[in-house]
Amino acid sequence: DAGVTQSPTHLIKTRGQHVTLRCSPISGHKSVSWYQQVLGQGPQFIFQYYEKEERGRGNFPDRFSARQFPNYSSELNVNALLLGDSALYLCASSTFRGTEAFFGQGTRLTVV
Amino acid sequence: AQTVTQSQPEMSVQEAETVTLSCTYDTSESDYYLFWYKQPPSRQMILVIRQEAYKQQNATENRFSVNFQKAAKSFSLKISDSQLGDAAMYFCAYRSEGETSGSRLTFGEGTQLTVNP
Repeated sequence: DAGVTQSPTHLIKTRGQHVTLRCSPISGHKSVSWYQQVLGQGPQFIFQYYEKEERGRGNFPDRFSARQFPNYSSELNVNALLLGDSALYLCASSTFRGTEAFFGQGTRLTVV
Repeated sequence: AQTVTQSQPEMSVQEAETVTLSCTYDTSESDYYLFWYKQPPSRQMILVIRQEAYKQQNATENRFSVNFQKAAKSFSLKISDSQLGDAAMYFCAYRSEGETSGSRLTFGEGTQLTVNP
């Protein structure tokens, strides 16, 4: 079975632009969570989606949004990019109450 | 809000020896899960071991074991017979059992482990 897949793997954007990151969960997993990992720090929780509804949100501005599709894949959108948004964005999938979250390899976003 | 603290930014160990990574956490909850994740240069977060707070017995997975002290809110990871492939960033993470948002994890700042041949 394929693991969690994220696309793209790397991307460079200019300040003020918009970006969309994509995540496909493990087959059978209906929950997707997004994390931001700034270089040298631990991941910070951004969102969790389950059955296409937002089930949790971390301390991030409204420039960050996400959605989940009927096939349980998910998109993370960030508007009006700032230099500080440069980070590794990790997606994790799980069953809703599952004790283990399975992570993808992340998308490295660089804002210049 | 829960917090997770890893006080050792870097650790090193000789191949075949044992190393212990420290983690403390703060919570007012009684039911929760604790995890150690490994992040190699490939960036993918890999689960090493997990501990349910209601279990008194410390979790063990092959060469990896934990020392879970619930009253002290301490959760250390011991790696025995260290191998070169163990070199990575290690993160301690917390998840509330009562968390309605399912799998929200709170991570520590990480410990970079170097294994010397």
